[in-house]
Amino acid sequence: GESVGLHLPTLSVQEGDNSIINCAYSNSASDYFIWYKQESGKGPQFIIDIRSNMDKRQGQRVTVLLNKTVKHLSLQIAATQPGDSAVYFCAENKGNQGGKLIFGQGTELSVKP
Amino acid sequence: GAVVSQHPSWVICKSGTSVKIECRSLDFQATTMFWYRQFPKQSLMLMATSNEGSKATYEQGVEKDKFLINHASLTLSTLTVTSAHPEDSSFYICSARDSSNSGRTSDTQYFGPGTRLTVL
Repeated sequence: GESVGLHLPTLSVQEGDNSIINCAYSNSASDYFIWYKQESGKGPQFIIDIRSNMDKRQGQRVTVLLNKTVKHLSLQIAATQPGDSAVYFCAENKGNQGGKLIFGQGTELSVKP
Repeated sequence: GAVVSQHPSWVICKSGTSVKIECRSLDFQATTMFWYRQFPKQSLMLMATSNEGSKATYEQGVEKDKFLINHASLTLSTLTVTSAHPEDSSFYICSARDSSNSGRTSDTQYFGPGTRLTVL
């Protein structure tokens, strides 16, 4: 597969703190990026997306930053809550690939009360 | 809106049998659906792209005769794992791409809740 990780990176934060989850993507031709949240035993849930013509996009408590120069994507979660505990995946979409998404390895976020 | 369902949510079968998993887009039409497999503590791996009314496109290394995909309507795609073996045990997830431009980004994929397959 194109993206397989044997060990998920983990991030542990205190409730109320801000969280920053990072992702490096592989293809400079990718033009659309999405962050997904996956809770144990469930399918991925859309959080926020960003197109390559932008470098920042904000949602409710979440912000995505895109740095095309170094092919880096980050997800910032403000005032992290216990319900935010999950695995977070970034995904890239190459515009001429029929909508195929390539997923990053994921980061497990653990929020301590 | 943008709900995708999968059935069954979990299934246990004997080695050598076949299992069918359904993926439905409940409130939108999807000419394209995707099937992923996920092993514990790992990322999602794309298996194939399911296109309504035509043959599926399989990723490299995925056996098309083992993982049969049928996209018979704009709201339903099925994945059949044929002659299942214990190594096929995994979490299978589908996603559907909204075909319309009704306020949603057409590139956005909506994921189903997944199907846990255990082959004994």
